[in-house]
Amino acid sequence: DAGVIQSPRHEVTEMGQEVTLRCKPISGHDYLFWYRQTMMRGLELLIYFNNNVPIDDSGMPEDRFSAKMPNASFSTLKIQPSEPRDSAVYFCASSFGLRELFFGEGSRLTVL
Amino acid sequence: AQKITQTQPGMFVQEKEAVTLDCTYDTSDPSYGLFWYKQPSSGEMIFLIYQGSYDQQNATEGRYSLNFQKARKSANLVISASQLGDSAMYFCAMRDNQGGKLIFGQGTELSVKP
Repeated sequence: DAGVIQSPRHEVTEMGQEVTLRCKPISGHDYLFWYRQTMMRGLELLIYFNNNVPIDDSGMPEDRFSAKMPNASFSTLKIQPSEPRDSAVYFCASSFGLRELFFGEGSRLTVL
Repeated sequence: AQKITQTQPGMFVQEKEAVTLDCTYDTSDPSYGLFWYKQPSSGEMIFLIYQGSYDQQNATEGRYSLNFQKARKSANLVISASQLGDSAMYFCAMRDNQGGKLIFGQGTELSVKP
């Protein structure tokens, strides 16, 4: 069975550019989460969806960040404009109901 | 508000020995779930074990067990017979069963010595 699929795996961009991270959750899962991981701040929850509806986006750092889930099989996290402090590993995860999350391999973002 | 605390940034254990990784949590919700994840140096997040707040018995999965003390709000992970491959970051997490939100602690880096 396919797991959570994230793309791109690595992204290097310059400050000010738009970045779009993509996620395909496991089929049948009804929750989708976006996390950001850095050495300084650990694993931060940015936003999560239930049945494609954003439930809590209080972790989104600022207006430069936006996330969408247009259907049950696809979500995007967009950063516009990007800044060096956005450099991190971004994880997408999904779950069926309230049990464990299954994580993608992460997207490593470097903003120069 | 939910909060998860892991007070041990790093720990060492001798191969074949048991080790306990601490986790305390705070929530006002009566129904919640507690999780442990392993993150090796390769970066993937691996689910280890789950404990529901209403579960009467401590969860076990192979060499992993969760020492759940509800009154103390602690959910420590016990790894028995440590192996070199257990060297990794370990994260405790809590999920609110009403809204589904899941948050992580700061993590504990475990090093297993041969």
